[in-house]
Amino acid sequence: QKEVEQNSGPLSVPEGAIASLNCTYSDRGSQSFFWYRQYSGKSPELIMSIYSNGDKEDGRFTAQLNKASQYVSLLIRDSQPSDSATYLCAVNPSVRAGSYQLTFGKGTKLSVIP
Amino acid sequence: DGGITQSPKYLFRKEGQNVTLSCEQNLNHDAMYWYRQDPGQGLRLIYYSQIVNDFQKGDIAEGYSVSREKKESFPLTVTSAQKNPTAFYLCASKVRDGVNQPQHFGDGTRLSIL
Repeated sequence: QKEVEQNSGPLSVPEGAIASLNCTYSDRGSQSFFWYRQYSGKSPELIMSIYSNGDKEDGRFTAQLNKASQYVSLLIRDSQPSDSATYLCAVNPSVRAGSYQLTFGKGTKLSVIP
Repeated sequence: DGGITQSPKYLFRKEGQNVTLSCEQNLNHDAMYWYRQDPGQGLRLIYYSQIVNDFQKGDIAEGYSVSREKKESFPLTVTSAQKNPTAFYLCASKVRDGVNQPQHFGDGTRLSIL
């Protein structure tokens, strides 16, 4: 069973719409969750982190965590063409907590259509 | 400005040759990580180090070696034993203590076989 799963996409949304990106994880004891944005040919950059159940908002981005369902999502409001990128979900599984390792999903490619 | 510097940006390897990728950080981070990314794939952990003079194998360490002689530096050597080295290599670092602290990435090195 894959540890972190994401729909590879591509996910296409029109400009101004809400983009919803989803991620599920297998380790119920996972403690911290991160969303990274990666433009083509570039390195990942951190955009959101979340540690407790519920929503966390930062500008146009909202991260949602549901530990009971082992599910974390990222909402992007008022999507812009500059949001077009691959979004990586990263999880710190409990089995690796001591070394602070992250397990990454394969990423969802988002395309915002002008 | 504080950050993580990877060099070179592009690297070509001949058959039977060892090559070394540089990673330097001035963030005063204790933990450093090396990842490999193949097209359409997530990041896979090669090696990590939480403290000077200590490092641990990740999920795909075969064919790679590292050293951690200084806190700021964590070079990765891709040996001739790595038969499929073509990939995007990413170095990351984080504050060692605190599972909720994110990893931050350098700009990456793209390695190809001649």
